[in-house]
Amino acid sequence: QKEVEQNSGPLSVPEGAIASLNCTYSDRGSQSFFWYRQYSGKSPELIMSIYSNGDKEDGRFTAQLNKASQYVSLLIRDSQPSDSATYLCAAQNTGTASKLTFGTGTRLQVTL
Amino acid sequence: SQTIHQWPATLVQPVGSPLSLECTVEGTSNPNLYWYRQAAGRGLQLLFYSVGIGQISSEVPQNLSASRPQDRQFILSSKKLLLSDSGFYLCAWSGYPTGGYTFGSGTRLTVV
Repeated sequence: QKEVEQNSGPLSVPEGAIASLNCTYSDRGSQSFFWYRQYSGKSPELIMSIYSNGDKEDGRFTAQLNKASQYVSLLIRDSQPSDSATYLCAAQNTGTASKLTFGTGTRLQVTL
Repeated sequence: SQTIHQWPATLVQPVGSPLSLECTVEGTSNPNLYWYRQAAGRGLQLLFYSVGIGQISSEVPQNLSASRPQDRQFILSSKKLLLSDSGFYLCAWSGYPTGGYTFGSGTRLTVV
């Protein structure tokens, strides 16, 4: 069974610090990876996508992918209280319907 | 630009009553469409997906059904709701160029 694993948290970081969120996946056929942010009671919002090994930066966010280790991470620099949310990692195999497999999410709390 | 509409936002239904949730996508053609459910404090569970009109695939056996009567319309239904059908229902679409999903705003269903 294809799985995406995340630590459920909560991960607590002080304001201004770097938050590091991690994810592993089991399907070696996965080609694309995504990070979603979900505020309580709201729907998930796509914040990062990564397709190749290495780092991808977008503002305060950096996604990292290591296909050999089947590992994806998201770094949030200069964490803000507004970053407090649940972060979902997802892996996509380009097979049938391009379905995403989601992890159960890591809850991030940014403290003042 | 593409947008996805989902309604209603909240719904309280008695056990044994029928259900119909609707999702429409604008600004794209032939999208892949998905219905997910998120139980309280849990991860995203894929219920149905569709790659075209009239083409529905079910991921888990359950009390629900889905239909796609038009290219950009996806409907989730039930003839008789169970208490266990309560949850946050999310519609999503995928297509070029993002590769990931874009979610609707969700419907919070409470079966009483």
